[in-house]
Amino acid sequence: AQSVTQLGSHVSVSEGALVLLRCNYSSSVPPYLFWYVQYPNQGLQLLLKYTSAATLVKGINGFEAEFKKSETSFHLTKPSAHMSDAAEYFCAVSGDRNNDMRFGAGTRLTVKP
Amino acid sequence: DTAVSQTPKYLVTQMGNDKSIKCEQNLGHDTMYWYKQDSKKFLKIMFSYNNKELIINETVPNRFSPKSPDKAHLNLHINSLELGDSAVYFCASSQGQGPYGYTFGSGTRLTVV
Repeated sequence: AQSVTQLGSHVSVSEGALVLLRCNYSSSVPPYLFWYVQYPNQGLQLLLKYTSAATLVKGINGFEAEFKKSETSFHLTKPSAHMSDAAEYFCAVSGDRNNDMRFGAGTRLTVKP
Repeated sequence: DTAVSQTPKYLVTQMGNDKSIKCEQNLGHDTMYWYKQDSKKFLKIMFSYNNKELIINETVPNRFSPKSPDKAHLNLHINSLELGDSAVYFCASSQGQGPYGYTFGSGTRLTVV
């Protein structure tokens, strides 16, 4: 079964600083990996996904993530944080056609002015 | 046009009541899901339907019964509501499982008093 672990339930950065949200996965098959963002009182929105093409994946709002098989990681980064990036971020994994998507516990990103 | 719409957005009800949450998607997706998000933001899959057929049924009390009249709709009926059912319930849809991202509804906040 696939699973993901998000390191750090809460990350705080200053506006303009680098954002790094960590995600490690466990999967017995090549995984499909996703990052979602959830703003307060809203549903989840897909930021980006890795589906075995390029290992560096670019998403919306300036975010990107790099798939590293040797480290079983899929960390999310953004060079310069903006106040509007404050939200809950979820890493997720799915496997083959018969597996649903499993989510990490989430990381709350706070951006300080 | 909202891609995945859920109604109602808020639901406050007494213990022991029966309630339903409706979900509709206009994306032409074949697969729909119900997720439960608890107070700690943890997301857990409850059910998954592919083209009106149940394909995933996690360990959920049988008081919860999904119904899919057609592939664009997946409703959730809950009998004999308990305090522990209080959560945010999200409907989602996708083209299928595996490499496809999910599109989420905005959620239904259920409060059982």
